[in-house]
Amino acid sequence: EVQLVESGGGLVKPGGSLRLSCAASGFTFSSYSMNWVRQAPGKGLEWVSSISSSSSYIYYADSVKGRFTISRDNAKNSLYLQMNSLRAEDTAVYYCARTITMVRGVAMDVWGQGTTVTVSS
Amino acid sequence: IQLTQSPSSLSASVGDRVTITCRASQGISSYLAWYQQKPGKAPKLLIYAASTLQSGVPSRFSGSGSGTDFTLTISSLQPEDFATYYCQQLNSYPRTFGQGTKVEIK
Repeated sequence: EVQLVESGGGLVKPGGSLRLSCAASGFTFSSYSMNWVRQAPGKGLEWVSSISSSSSYIYYADSVKGRFTISRDNAKNSLYLQMNSLRAEDTAVYYCARTITMVRGVAMDVWGQGTTVTVSS
Repeated sequence: IQLTQSPSSLSASVGDRVTITCRASQGISSYLAWYQQKPGKAPKLLIYAASTLQSGVPSRFSGSGSGTDFTLTISSLQPEDFATYYCQQLNSYPRTFGQGTKVEIK
């Protein structure tokens, strides 16, 4: 079964750090670009960051650039998001999602269940 | 690229035909996907490349459009379709989402 499982969320004080992990199974992880998408309480979806299959290409939303770092370990089938200098507005459920690239288009076709990050003093 | 969905919410009955629109601030060819999200759950891919139905998604869902104007249609609304729907552009970075359309029971 194709599956993504996030972990590492929790309560952290403003200015603190947290590292999220996403464990992939059931597919060849090293062949796919991966993403982090977040959703603040009661709000819509916000794309956070993407990383290509070999880590050659990395992209960030302006809202997290310079504070968050996406990485992956293809040997461990794992995706990471290192979050530093956290702010209250980073409070959200964080999802990892797989990118599928097809002849006709691109989409995020597999999503994890999400991990909750709360930034509060 | 900004995506504007309309309406932000709608009330409909089982069996109704429902249409949601997504307008991009600049052309994105057909690099648009639609997702369904139910409360407390992860988003689920419905349609990619603007009009291609993801495997396993019921045929009552359809998508159309290219360039800047896109549509998601549910031909006959079912009880399990009450959810929030998001469009997303994958033409360029940042990979923006629309603000969402909540489909509620009338």
